[in-house]
Amino acid sequence: DGGITQSPKYLFRKEGQNVTLSCEQNLNHDAMYWYRQDPGQGLRLIYYSQIVNDFQKGDIAEGYSVSREKKESFPLTVTSAQKNPTAFYLCASSKDSFNQPQHFGDGTRLSIL
Amino acid sequence: GQQVMQIPQYQHVQEGEDFTTYCNSSTTLSNIQWYKQRPGGHPVFLIQLVKSGEVKKQKRLTFQFGEAKKNSSLHITATQTTDVGTYFCAGFLYKLSFGAGTTVTVRA
Repeated sequence: DGGITQSPKYLFRKEGQNVTLSCEQNLNHDAMYWYRQDPGQGLRLIYYSQIVNDFQKGDIAEGYSVSREKKESFPLTVTSAQKNPTAFYLCASSKDSFNQPQHFGDGTRLSIL
Repeated sequence: GQQVMQIPQYQHVQEGEDFTTYCNSSTTLSNIQWYKQRPGGHPVFLIQLVKSGEVKKQKRLTFQFGEAKKNSSLHITATQTTDVGTYFCAGFLYKLSFGAGTTVTVRA
C-alpha cells in the first residue's frame, strides 16, 4: 500500500541535542511538508519542498532544518536552537503543490527529557 | 497574513443531533480543504471546495463554500459516535493555512 511512513513514533530529546525525524513516502508525490501540532493550535507549517534539492521555510522554521536529497525522503532535524520542541510532528505529501489534498503520516511525538 | 479561524473550538453533541462548524478567512481563498483527525490519529483529507457557493455532500456530511470564497461550513446530520474527532479546515491562497479545528465529542 502507498503511504507515508514517519519514524520514530516517540522521541525524547536531551538539552543541547539535535534530533532527526524521518519521513518517507512511496506515493510518487513531488511535494512534501512538515507541520507542528500543539493542543488547540491546529497545524503550523515548518518547512515544505516542492521538488528535490529545494525547500522553503514555513511559518515557524526557526530552530528546524530539513533536506530533500531524494524524492521519497524529507527528514526534519530539530536543533538545540528550538527552545520549545515538545509537540506532535506531522509529515505530509501532495501530488505537486498546496493546491492538492495532503496525505499525512502517523506522526512523531517529541518530548524533552 | 493569511489567517483561517474556526468556530466553535469544541462541540459536544447528543447522538442523533445535527451540528455545524464554521471556517472564516481574512482573505479570499482559491480553495478550501477539510480534514478529520481521530483521537490519537493523523489528519485525513475529506473534501476540497473550489467554486464560489459550492456545496458537496458525503453521506451525512454537507460542505459549503461561501459566495465570496472567504468562509466555509461543515454540517453533520444525525451525529454518530464515529463522528468523534477534530475537524480542520485549510484555506489555500498561496499556501495552505489550517484553522485550529473543532473537536467533536458525542454523548450516547
